[in-house]
Amino acid sequence: NAGVTQTPKFQVLKTGQSMTLQCAQDMNHEYMSWYRQDPGMGLRLIHYSVGAGITDQGEVPNGYNVSRSTTEDFPLRLLSAAPSQTSVYFCASRTTTSGIFNSGANVLTFGAGSRLTVL
Amino acid sequence: AQSVTQLGSHVSVSEGALVLLRCNYSSSVPPYLFWYVQYPNQGLQLLLKYTSAATLVKGINGFEAEFKKSETSFHLTKPSAHMSDAAEYFCAVSEKTSYGKLTFGQGTILTVHP
Repeated sequence: NAGVTQTPKFQVLKTGQSMTLQCAQDMNHEYMSWYRQDPGMGLRLIHYSVGAGITDQGEVPNGYNVSRSTTEDFPLRLLSAAPSQTSVYFCASRTTTSGIFNSGANVLTFGAGSRLTVL
Repeated sequence: AQSVTQLGSHVSVSEGALVLLRCNYSSSVPPYLFWYVQYPNQGLQLLLKYTSAATLVKGINGFEAEFKKSETSFHLTKPSAHMSDAAEYFCAVSEKTSYGKLTFGQGTILTVHP
């Protein structure tokens, strides 16, 4: 199982450039999300999706766009990069199925992260 | 709204000493609670979770945490620290719904000295 795969692992951008961080999962998870990690601030939720065609904003959505055309993929787009978006980005997914056979209640599986630097 | 506060951004212990990482939460409804660990340059891994069964939860690598509703706390402990425990630890809370979002604390960096 590949789990959650993020690409690229590292990226350097200039202010104003655009780019897309890719996230793919092979676990048939309905729920996918993007977090950014900054020193001393923990992980903050950017956007999330509860299924194909459904997305919503998290705590820090400004400057980022997402879409969910398939269950597997959840790309994060930076339309015009700013130095304040320098961070480590994590994609995470989980099932939304509950029941006695599901021991993974609300447990997120994380990707390895993408380190973005905006100059 | 839910929130998590981790007391102490850095904790330093000697190898073999008790590890205690503190976490307090606020939530308008009974929550799920989690501890995640992040080793350098890696993603987050689940250590343990509380989902309203036993209040004392045992996780991987000898860690455990106790849910105390009266204190709104979910502190993480390990009786004897090992060098390999050096990492950053995150406490997190989510609502008990299928689409509950996970809210993380600020993180605590654990250093283990020989």
